[in-house]
Amino acid sequence: DAGITQSPRHKVTETGTPVTLRCHQTENHRYMYWYRQDPGHGLRLIHYSYGVKDTDKGEVSDGYSVSRSKTEDFLLTLESATSSQTSVYFCAIRGQNYGYTFGSGTRLTVV
Amino acid sequence: TQLLEQSPQFLSIQEGENLTVYCNSSSVFSSLQWYRQEPGEGPVLLVTVVTGGEVKKLKRLTFQFGDARKDSSLHITAAQPGDTGLYLCAEPQGGSEKLVFGKGTKLTVNP
Repeated sequence: DAGITQSPRHKVTETGTPVTLRCHQTENHRYMYWYRQDPGHGLRLIHYSYGVKDTDKGEVSDGYSVSRSKTEDFLLTLESATSSQTSVYFCAIRGQNYGYTFGSGTRLTVV
Repeated sequence: TQLLEQSPQFLSIQEGENLTVYCNSSSVFSSLQWYRQEPGEGPVLLVTVVTGGEVKKLKRLTFQFGDARKDSSLHITAAQPGDTGLYLCAEPQGGSEKLVFGKGTKLTVNP
C-alpha cells in the first residue's frame, strides 16, 4: 500500500466534545488533504496542506481546524463536535501526476 | 468551482452485461481522473486522462475523454461482481492544488 494510515478507524463521541483525527504518511509527500463523504454530497474538501505549517481551507471548513507540524502527520480537529459532523472522513496524499492516494477512512458518529 | 455531473447515480446489472457511466461539465476539464471506491475503503485511482479524444484501457475498463474535454466516459465490458463499487470522476482545480469530485455512480453487479 502507499503508506497512508488514518486513526482511529471508528469513533463515537458526544456533542460538544473536541475530536482529533490523525493521518500519517510514510511517502514524504508535500500535499495532504482531509475530505468528508456523505450520502448525496459525495467527497467534499475540508482543509488541505501544502507543507509543514502551510494549510488552507476547502469548501466545508467551518467547525474544523488542522495542523501539520511534521511532513508525515496531518491532524484534523473538530473543535466542538455537532451531529452534522457525523460522517466518514478521508485523508489523502497527492503523488505524481496529481493522482491522490486515500486512507481507509474514519467513521465518526456524534451523538 | 467547476461542477462535475455524473450519471447515472445508481446502476444495477447482471454479471456479464456491459455498461457505461458518464462524467460531464459545462466547462473544459484541465484533466480528469477516475476512481473506484469499494465499501469501507477509500477511493483508488484507476486512470488519468489529459488529452481530448484520449482513450485508455485497463483490462475490461475503457476510459474516453471527449474531444472538447467537457465529458468523459467509463465503459465496462462483461461486468463481474468484483466491479461493484462507487465510480468517481475528479478534476484538479485551484491551480491543481485541489481535487474536486463528482458525486459518483454506484454500480452493483449481481451474480
